[in-house]
Amino acid sequence: ETGVTQSPTHLIKTRGQQVTLRCSSQSGHNTVSWYQQALGQGPQFIFQYYREEENGRGNFPPRFSGLQFPNYSSELNVNALELDDSALYLCASSLVGSPMNTEAFFGQGTRLTVV
Amino acid sequence: AQTVTQSQPEMSVQEAETVTLSCTYDTSENNYYLFWYKQPPSRQMILVIRQEAYKQQNATENRFSVNFQKAAKSFSLKISDSQLGDTAMYFCAFTSGTYKYIFGTGTRLKVLA
Repeated sequence: ETGVTQSPTHLIKTRGQQVTLRCSSQSGHNTVSWYQQALGQGPQFIFQYYREEENGRGNFPPRFSGLQFPNYSSELNVNALELDDSALYLCASSLVGSPMNTEAFFGQGTRLTVV
Repeated sequence: AQTVTQSQPEMSVQEAETVTLSCTYDTSENNYYLFWYKQPPSRQMILVIRQEAYKQQNATENRFSVNFQKAAKSFSLKISDSQLGDTAMYFCAFTSGTYKYIFGTGTRLKVLA
């Protein structure tokens, strides 16, 4: 167990709906990154939050948005869901400012199915 | 752009044998970090081993070791004395230090009894 928790573990939504996924980062970590992992693929970087601000974004449309709270937990919001948004969404926490060999710790993911 | 390539979609190995998973990457950075992550059916990414590019010595962690060839941009993982619990997806990952990870497409490893 890494101490990174995500909720919910599974979710089914209808195309066009909106969804919010949540992540509690590991104690002492100040950075949260979100990844989308389609079936049979490696995770793809969505964006990263550091000190409550977006700190880098991958090739995802604006309907993917996020928040980071003062306690460093984070939300991923996806609007106007599409069938291709069906994937495992992974949250990873890390500590910016630590020695650079500190790795990111991943949660167990939220499996989102869009029907 | 930085890329990570894993050319072996699936591999199998007999229990107690040794297996090597391949990974190549492309970057213009000089300082970066490479990782191997294991993803069992439980879905959680578990760090297996990491390598700092500035270190010439190959990293080892118990039964796991890497062959890091910086000039060739190659980063293979060797698993010795394979165990049934090693059955999982294995992902090679790269970061230049921004904590944004770039992952390969993964290798599905099956350890046979």
